[in-house]
Amino acid sequence: LAKTTQPISMDSYEGQEVNITCSHNNIATNDYITWYQQFPSQGPRFIIQGYKTKVTNEVASLFIPADRKSSTLSLPRVSLSDTAVYYCLVGPANQAGTALIFGKGTTLSVSS
Amino acid sequence: GAVVSQHPSRVICKSGTSVKIECRSLDFQATTMFWYRQFPKQSLMLMATSNEGSKATYEQGVEKDKFLINHASLTLSTLTVTSAHPEDSSFYICSAKRGGDEQYFGPGTRLTVT
Repeated sequence: LAKTTQPISMDSYEGQEVNITCSHNNIATNDYITWYQQFPSQGPRFIIQGYKTKVTNEVASLFIPADRKSSTLSLPRVSLSDTAVYYCLVGPANQAGTALIFGKGTTLSVSS
Repeated sequence: GAVVSQHPSRVICKSGTSVKIECRSLDFQATTMFWYRQFPKQSLMLMATSNEGSKATYEQGVEKDKFLINHASLTLSTLTVTSAHPEDSSFYICSAKRGGDEQYFGPGTRLTVT
């Protein structure tokens, strides 16, 4: 599985757009990029998944450049409730029997 | 999305005793279930992978005789921490998937060993 590198922490204020970048230089051709969110004392929650270019859902956008060696999770207009740890994962999408492997994640702190 | 539950959500036990944690997929049949452990301010660490009806596969460094995993049905997996010690205190998270579908996570179980 491709190794990922993310900032350890980020700070933001309510209403701002937050962009968290993840580096994955060794991404394989059949790998997808998936982001999870985790609140304290809760299990991780799926945010978004993409393979290339841009993916958008009701929660976030995921930008993936052509070389796919990095990706950026964009959270528009964050609120206090977006304070959480965000994990970038890279691997084959939904491969039967294969577990997700988590890296260190980025702790996002949103202040008022 | 699919729902995975865990029971109990919190448990406190005395050193030397055993404790069982249940993981259930509520609205789908999980062919594979996974157990993770998470220490404070650290990431999730995969402990083991279990397929229904077969023995679990443990990650390197995880004692299979200490962390007993049973996946007896397509909707239930259990993790038993045997002879628990304070260093086993952690947040245990299970997840489940059906075939090549997305992996769904439970809410976690906080284990405290006194």
